[in-house]
Amino acid sequence: GAGVSQTPSNKVTEKGKYVELRCDPISGHTALYWYRQSLGQGPEFLIYFQGTGAADDSGLPNDRFFAVRPEGSVSTLKIQRTERGDSAVYLCASSANRDPTNTGELFFGEGSRLTVL
Amino acid sequence: AQSVSQHNHHVILSEAASLELGCNYSYGGTVNLFWYVQYPGQHLQLLLKYFSGDPLVKGIKGFEAEFIKSKFSFNLRKPSVQWSDTAEYFCAVKLSSGNTPLVFGKGTRLSVIA
Repeated sequence: GAGVSQTPSNKVTEKGKYVELRCDPISGHTALYWYRQSLGQGPEFLIYFQGTGAADDSGLPNDRFFAVRPEGSVSTLKIQRTERGDSAVYLCASSANRDPTNTGELFFGEGSRLTVL
Repeated sequence: AQSVSQHNHHVILSEAASLELGCNYSYGGTVNLFWYVQYPGQHLQLLLKYFSGDPLVKGIKGFEAEFIKSKFSFNLRKPSVQWSDTAEYFCAVKLSSGNTPLVFGKGTRLSVIA
């Protein structure tokens, strides 16, 4: 596609439920990032994939959060036993190069807004 | 700990006014610096970036930023803002070496009024 696509754009769920958020990066981009943006805050790094493997998952807040990218393209962020504090916009970004400093540019999707009631 | 500070939470300017948004970072090493913009209802887009060389960087839409190493700053400027510049602006920093993540500031909301 022309840009990074994220689905769903909006998700409302109840506390304790399981949620999956999907990211379809720009075709050919090897690097994929997940960020979380809470109200009034900047994007907060969660995890970074290079190809199929998670190169850095140091930003995942706890073991309820997990992400996969099985074929090196589409990625799914999975949140188990959701809590009200998980409510945020989850942003996905992709980059063409192994090291994003080569271009300096992450291409962001429009985000998935998660609301946990 | 690595951090990025944007001092202005919300800036309101009249059209044609000059703009300067502050960004300071706390990093122990050589860094790459970025400004991203998010227009209402749109996704984050790169405005400009600094890697090396001339510390005064020109970006899209007439924006520029100056890297001052001694002050750990990378302030964003525009001589004359337009109503269409109304958006949220994020400063971001990354260590130059290694696959370290891009760290964002909290953002500054700019409102330009006619």
